[in-house]
Amino acid sequence: AQKVTQAQTEISVVEKEDVTLDCVYETRDTTYYLFWYKQPPSGELVFLIRRNSFDEQNEISGRYSWNFQKSTSSFNFTITASQVVDSAVYFCALNYNAGNMLTFGGGTRLMVKP
Amino acid sequence: GAGVSQSPRYKVAKRGQDVALRCDPISGHVSLFWYQQALGQGPEFLTYFQNEAQLDKSGLPSDRFFAERPEGSVSTLKIQRTQQEDSAVYLCASSASRWRGANTEAFFGQGTRLTVV
Repeated sequence: AQKVTQAQTEISVVEKEDVTLDCVYETRDTTYYLFWYKQPPSGELVFLIRRNSFDEQNEISGRYSWNFQKSTSSFNFTITASQVVDSAVYFCALNYNAGNMLTFGGGTRLMVKP
Repeated sequence: GAGVSQSPRYKVAKRGQDVALRCDPISGHVSLFWYQQALGQGPEFLTYFQNEAQLDKSGLPSDRFFAERPEGSVSTLKIQRTQQEDSAVYLCASSASRWRGANTEAFFGQGTRLTVV
């Protein structure tokens, strides 16, 4: 069975603070993909990143960075110098090679206050 | 089109009414997914199409839910005899991936918020 856990349901920070969103996953597959999506109030899910299970290199994209650790089955997401526009619900998701659907975590609501 | 388009954006249905939700995927995308997102939760998979073939419908919660994609582009999710527990946002996504092929990202529409009263 596949499972994604986002233990933080809600995080509130002040603008310019750094914030890390946690994601822990469970899968028996050796080949799988991990994703982060952002869901602003408008509702659509915006793709942020995809990682495959064979690539444990950390990735940085502007103020965003991701830390993938297979040893702890975690794929954490850090926003550096947060901004009010980062306020949204963030979802971590897992896709395994046997199927194409995504298994989502419950989401973390991030509120960045000015 | 430029993105995934869903209509209507909002739908209020009386309990027992049938509803039809439409999804226009990104042009040329082979794969199409439907997800159900209850309030405050993550989306949950309903069904998957590769072109016009429905390859996975394991997530459909009951036989009142039916989806089709007859020409391999536009898809319709139909819910018969709606119940209050069907109230949720229904998200459609499309991707260029094929079944069990190299996995690319899925692009999501804004969803249809269904409220059953």
